[in-house]
Amino acid sequence: EAQVTQNPRYLITVTGKKLTVTCSQNMNHEYMSWYRQDPGLGLRQIYYSMNVEVTDKGDVPEGYKVSRKEKRNFPLILESPSPNQTSLYFCASSGTGGSNYGYTFGSGTRLTVV
Amino acid sequence: RKEVEQDPGPFNVPEGATVAFNCTYSNSASQSFFWYRQDCRKEPKLLMSVYSSGNEDGRFTAQLNRASQYISLLIRDSKLSDSATYLCVVNVYDMRFGAGTRLTVKP
Repeated sequence: EAQVTQNPRYLITVTGKKLTVTCSQNMNHEYMSWYRQDPGLGLRQIYYSMNVEVTDKGDVPEGYKVSRKEKRNFPLILESPSPNQTSLYFCASSGTGGSNYGYTFGSGTRLTVV
Repeated sequence: RKEVEQDPGPFNVPEGATVAFNCTYSNSASQSFFWYRQDCRKEPKLLMSVYSSGNEDGRFTAQLNRASQYISLLIRDSKLSDSATYLCVVNVYDMRFGAGTRLTVKP
């Protein structure tokens, strides 16, 4: 089944403790992206990747890192999480940069930083 | 001005009603357009692409007006299962999402 898999689905952590949210897709998509979703603000892009070893900042990159060493994986790293990073996170992928076919989303990761 | 703007709603309609959502976008270079559906606490899922000539998928009709820079979604004969948040999405160099319009269909 074609899908984007995110882990974990739920995570509660403490301020300053490094964490990684994994994202993997099995569709051989070139384009991958991370979003956060907060009430009233909609989906905001954190980082995106056009292909292996090619990443760029989205609208809200502060406090996040990403890497794209393999085509299928695009982990999101929070080096020192803070409470304002409590949010619902989605990973998404597309075969054509989203231009014609839209995105496929992962099931989401609900992160709480206390 | 936001890149993609939607009426946040909520829209509360009875079963069987027809409901329309509008969305405006600011970048005239936008290339492609979509409507996504998002159920509570779940991932957005592609509902339909929006083509210049307009397109229909069952009870759903999408329209694009490039001159006025807006897209619309019409849902006919609303079902309880249509209750969700509908996201307008516009692609320029990447996907830009509206904040969503919440729809509740009541018996």
